[in-house]
Amino acid sequence: DTGVSQDPRHKITKRGQNVTFRCDPISEHNRLYWYRQTLGQGPEFLTYFQNEAQLEKSRLLSDRFSAERPKGSFSTLEIQRTEQGDSAMYLCASSRDFSNTEAFFGQGTRLTVV
Amino acid sequence: EDKVVQSPLSLVVHEGDTVTLNCSYEVTNFRSLLWYKQEKKAPTFLFMLTSSGIEKKSGRLSSILDKKELFSILNITATQTGDSAVYLCAVFGNTGKLIFGQGTTLQVKP
Repeated sequence: DTGVSQDPRHKITKRGQNVTFRCDPISEHNRLYWYRQTLGQGPEFLTYFQNEAQLEKSRLLSDRFSAERPKGSFSTLEIQRTEQGDSAMYLCASSRDFSNTEAFFGQGTRLTVV
Repeated sequence: EDKVVQSPLSLVVHEGDTVTLNCSYEVTNFRSLLWYKQEKKAPTFLFMLTSSGIEKKSGRLSSILDKKELFSILNITATQTGDSAVYLCAVFGNTGKLIFGQGTTLQVKP
């Protein structure tokens, strides 16, 4: 399967701990997006990359959140000092570019902060 | 600020009914509109629309875009229980990020 891959699928952590998620996009895709989704809501934009460059980060995103895509391939999303409000599904998507192209999603990482 | 609004937020129908889901948008320099289906996991891609008035069709699902009025509709004919899901509309604007609406939850009863 050469689709978008996310790891881990589930993560339970104690409040105050740091967590890191990984996303491997479809190999020829140079755009990579991170979203957060809570129950009953559509995916909320967090940040996106064009190759290794982070082009935009949501204004709503706390400084506790950081994302990297060091070699323009896989990406990591780190949440420091987790809070219960961080509990959500974290989705990664990739696309070739944003002009007339589809974006495909991974299966997501479900984070539960206890 | 760019935004995407879907309606209705939820819908309950019976098998065999036809449904129409709506998506309106306000986006700087519209590029494309995408529809996704989400069933308790990650969204799966349905359609991408870039031109007004051209219907995209896949089986019982079809979609059309009106760039003048800034909206799209997703039609599902002869609904089945397997169509029960959240349907998401998303738009690419000039900034290059994909903005989602809040989704329409469709429940199809036997």
